[in-house]
Amino acid sequence: AQSVTQPDIHITVSEGASLELRCNYSYGATPYLFWYVQSPGQGLQLLLKYFSGDTLVQGIKGFEAEFKRSQSSFNLRKPSVHWSDAAEYFCAVGAGGYQKVTFGTGTKLQVIP
Amino acid sequence: GAVVSQHPSRVICKSGTSVKIECRSLDFQATTMFWYRQFPKQSLMLMATSNEGSKATYEQGVEKDKFLINHASLTLSTLTVTSAHPEDSSFYICSASPGTGVQETQYFGPGTRLLVL
Repeated sequence: AQSVTQPDIHITVSEGASLELRCNYSYGATPYLFWYVQSPGQGLQLLLKYFSGDTLVQGIKGFEAEFKRSQSSFNLRKPSVHWSDAAEYFCAVGAGGYQKVTFGTGTKLQVIP
Repeated sequence: GAVVSQHPSRVICKSGTSVKIECRSLDFQATTMFWYRQFPKQSLMLMATSNEGSKATYEQGVEKDKFLINHASLTLSTLTVTSAHPEDSSFYICSASPGTGVQETQYFGPGTRLLVL
């Protein structure tokens, strides 16, 4: 069975600073990997996904993530954080693409002026 | 973009009563809908998957007689928590997908917070 670990429960960054959210997964085959963002009162929104191909994936809102098979990681990055990025971020792995997705416990991002 | 709504957004009920939560896809037809449960500081746990017109497929450990799922149309799925107890208090999230393929996107609703007294 697949699993996802997000080691950071809460992260605080200054506006304009760079951001990296960590995600490690466990899955026997090539994983389908996702990053979602959840803002209060809103549903989870897909930031980006990796199915195959280029291991550096570009997403919406200026986010990117890099799949590193050797490290079983799929870390999310953004070069310059905006106050509107404050939210909770979930990494997820899919055994069958979107249809059987396991989520991590989430990382809450706080952005300070 | 694709929008999924949930109703109600928050519900408080007495122990022993039943609660129904609706999940609607507003601008697309959802062949597949998913129901998740999220405890505080924990990840989303998939409860069940439902395809329109078929019985839901429940994940291991989820009581199908307690959590009744009906996917009667391509835009509506309902989750009924029967004889709710305080341990059923949680955040319930649905998602909808326009297809069944492995690369079909899931669109998530905003969630329903259930508190059972």
